Amino acid sequence: ETGVTQTPRHLVMGMTNKKSLKCEQHLGHNAMYWYKQSAKKPLELMFVYNFKEQTENNSVPSRFSPECPNSSHLFLHLHTLQPEDSALYLCASSQVDRNQPQHFGDGTRLSIL
Amino acid sequence: TQLLEQSPQFLSIQEGENLTVYCNSSSVFSSLQWYRQEPGEGPVLLVTVVTGGEVKKLKRLTFQFGDARKDSSLHITAAQPGDTGLYLCAGNQGGKLIFGQGTELSVKP
Repeated sequence: ETGVTQTPRHLVMGMTNKKSLKCEQHLGHNAMYWYKQSAKKPLELMFVYNFKEQTENNSVPSRFSPECPNSSHLFLHLHTLQPEDSALYLCASSQVDRNQPQHFGDGTRLSIL
Repeated sequence: TQLLEQSPQFLSIQEGENLTVYCNSSSVFSSLQWYRQEPGEGPVLLVTVVTGGEVKKLKRLTFQFGDARKDSSLHITAAQPGDTGLYLCAGNQGGKLIFGQGTELSVKP
């Protein structure tokens, strides 16, 4: 139990579907992150939210749309994805402080047909 | 783009052996973190090192931060099958974590 919960754990969707990934943290953190993890590649930072405000969009295609309604919840809305978007999507949270560690959820394994 | 290079990428050893994993960059980091990730799970923090030259021990694991804060190493003594997993280093720059590509460790009984 890491204090960061992601749902669903697995998702299979077609390229024309719309779905959302959810992340919830119970650690009292004020920063939340979305990462993409593909085989044999470093974790790629996608989005950062500090105090519910988006502070980083790492050149992510618009078919990924994040939403952070409060400091405990983070969503990633998916629309018209491509097969190369198949990956493990990880959510993390931390305190907004330079050297604070990030705590990760167990991820959503996404497969695009 | 700053890069963190980990070596080796894959390591398969027998139980009881020692090993060292390296994490190198040309960039300076304010801190560096090591994580371990097991299949089907997210990365779990092992340690954070902040000061150049710092050494931290976690049971059989010894972590060192380079004097110039550009590199780090993880040494495991007497590896056990439970140490199997993906080891990730991540350097902190301006609050963002830059991850290495990971070292896949397999410890056979």
